[in-house]
Amino acid sequence: DTGVSQDPRHKITKRGQNVTFRCDPISEHNRLYWYRQTLGQGPEFLTYFQNEAQLEKSRLLSDRFSAERPKGSFSTLEIQRTEQGDSAMYLCASSLSEYQETQYFGPGTRLLVL
Amino acid sequence: GESVGLHLPTLSVQEGDNSIINCAYSNSASDYFIWYKQESGKGPQFIIDIRSNMDKRQGQRVTVLLNKTVKHLSLQIAATQPGDSAVYFCAENDRNYGQNFVFGPGTRLSVLP
Repeated sequence: DTGVSQDPRHKITKRGQNVTFRCDPISEHNRLYWYRQTLGQGPEFLTYFQNEAQLEKSRLLSDRFSAERPKGSFSTLEIQRTEQGDSAMYLCASSLSEYQETQYFGPGTRLLVL
Repeated sequence: GESVGLHLPTLSVQEGDNSIINCAYSNSASDYFIWYKQESGKGPQFIIDIRSNMDKRQGQRVTVLLNKTVKHLSLQIAATQPGDSAVYFCAENDRNYGQNFVFGPGTRLSVLP
């Protein structure tokens, strides 16, 4: 399977703990995006990378959230001191380039904060 | 920012009938639109896209129509099948505003046997 992959698929954590999610984009896709989706809603943009550079962040991305893409390939999204309101599906997407901007999504990581 | 919305939250159709899912958008500067299908527990799956210089695009059993005058987008599914049951999202992108897509809340399509 050469699509976008995400790990883990599910995560249950206690409030106050830190969690880290990983996304592997489609090979040769320069752009990588993170979205958050709550039940019954459409995905909401969090941030995106062009290669290793983080070019845009949503105001939804609080100081407790940090994302990296150190080598321009896979990316990690870390949430520190998780809160119950962080419970959601975290989706990763990738696109080939600025001019081939169709975004292809991974299966998501479902986070539950108790 | 400006938002994308949907007229109908749910749509039920008989198997074999055609489905039409509608979407209204408010950002007149949006120049690229995508329809995604999302099944339970999965990520959104690309269905079809259209750019603002077009008003119609066809795929396999699907057609997207874009009316820029009234800022309306629709997805038509021909001969709807049980496997088409899912939530459908329209998403818009304005390159001048940013590189992210703005998604609507989604329409749930239920295909009745």
